[in-house]
Amino acid sequence: GENVEQHPSTLSVQEGDSAVIKCTYSDSASNYFPWYKQELGKRPQLIIDIRSNVGEKKDQRIAVTLNKTAKHFSLHITETQPEDSAVYFCAAEWEAAGNKLTFGGGTRVLVKP
Amino acid sequence: GAGVSQSPSNKVTEKGKDVELRCDPISGHTALYWYRQSLGQGLEFLIYFQGNSAPDKSGLPSDRFSAERTGGSVSTLTIQRTQQEDSAVYLCASSLGGFQPQHFGDGTRLSIL
Repeated sequence: GENVEQHPSTLSVQEGDSAVIKCTYSDSASNYFPWYKQELGKRPQLIIDIRSNVGEKKDQRIAVTLNKTAKHFSLHITETQPEDSAVYFCAAEWEAAGNKLTFGGGTRVLVKP
Repeated sequence: GAGVSQSPSNKVTEKGKDVELRCDPISGHTALYWYRQSLGQGLEFLIYFQGNSAPDKSGLPSDRFSAERTGGSVSTLTIQRTQQEDSAVYLCASSLGGFQPQHFGDGTRLSIL
């Protein structure tokens, strides 16, 4: 079945440094790849997404890259700030899977001041 | 208008009781999803409604779980004869359809005693 693997499971960075989270997916027919940020006790919030016809997308300090050949996509956060501390989830959507999201296991990011 | 609304925000019940969780999606969103998130874990897909199509129930863990969506809007997730392993946060999301951003509600935290 569909599978999304996310690494690392935890990431600790110094404020101002960059953070990179990587996800790999199993189905090459997947078309849509969102990233969600979830703060403790809060709802997951969409922070950026990318579609299969695009290789990179950027929004201020956040960027996502997609390598369709290797079937992986990554989240890059530059100039990290303490408020970036949260759990980040990647996900992938396949039409063959009925247009539902399959999520990675999450990455707990801690930005140390 | 408003975002995805879920009620109740918290529910504590005794093992063996039935519970109903409600989700009111964003107005105009044709797709509605239910997910389950256990403590410190990722998001597990439960069920997906898209317009008037038959729902995708492939993620429901047992026949004690059911959901309906009336009039293409509000959805109710019902868990019969609750078990302690049903304790989790139940999240609802809605979107404009396939390959579109899903927006989450705040969830219902369900605790089974």
